[in-house]
Amino acid sequence: EVKLVESGGGLVQPGGSLGLSCAASGFTFSNYWMTWVRQGPGKGLEWVANIKPDGSEKYYVDSVKGRFTISRDTAKNSLYLQMNSLRAEDTAVYYCASYDPKSGCLDPWGQGSLVTVSS
Amino acid sequence: DIQMTQSPSSVSASVGDRVTITCRASQDISSSLAWYQQKPGKAPKVLIYTASTLQSGVPSRFSGRGSGTDFTLSISRLQPEDFATYFCQQANSFPLTFGGGTRVEIK
Repeated sequence: EVKLVESGGGLVQPGGSLGLSCAASGFTFSNYWMTWVRQGPGKGLEWVANIKPDGSEKYYVDSVKGRFTISRDTAKNSLYLQMNSLRAEDTAVYYCASYDPKSGCLDPWGQGSLVTVSS
Repeated sequence: DIQMTQSPSSVSASVGDRVTITCRASQDISSSLAWYQQKPGKAPKVLIYTASTLQSGVPSRFSGRGSGTDFTLSISRLQPEDFATYFCQQANSFPLTFGGGTRVEIK
């Protein structure tokens, strides 16, 4: 079964840091682009970052550039998102997903991890 | 960045109705468009990609059309399990961007 499981969410103060992990199973992780997407409370979906299968290219939405870092560890079949200088507007459920550049779609998705930035 | 405008933002419909949702891109994206269904508290699930290709396992009552800047998602005979929120997403270029969503509610 293809599965993505996020972990690492929680409550953090403004200006703080938090790291998310996404464990992949059921597919050859090293062959796939990976993505982070977030969804603020009661809001729509926002793409956050993408990383190539070999980690050589990374892309970010402007609002997180310089603060968030996407990375991956093929040996551990894991995707990561390091979030620094967090702001209230970063509060969201963060999903990891596999991205297929041929079809352009995100599939599958993890169950999501809630990050709350508040004092 | 490519802006995706979805309409309507919500629609009330009955079981058996046909529902059509529209997504408009701010520039030509060819057929680089996907549609997702999201139920409360759950992750989105892909329904259609490359504008009109049905994802494996998705019922045939879902269909997608369009190219360039104008796209539609249609549900031909609404079923109880179809009441959810639907999003479009362009994959023509980074940043990937989503429409604002359409909530399909029970009339």
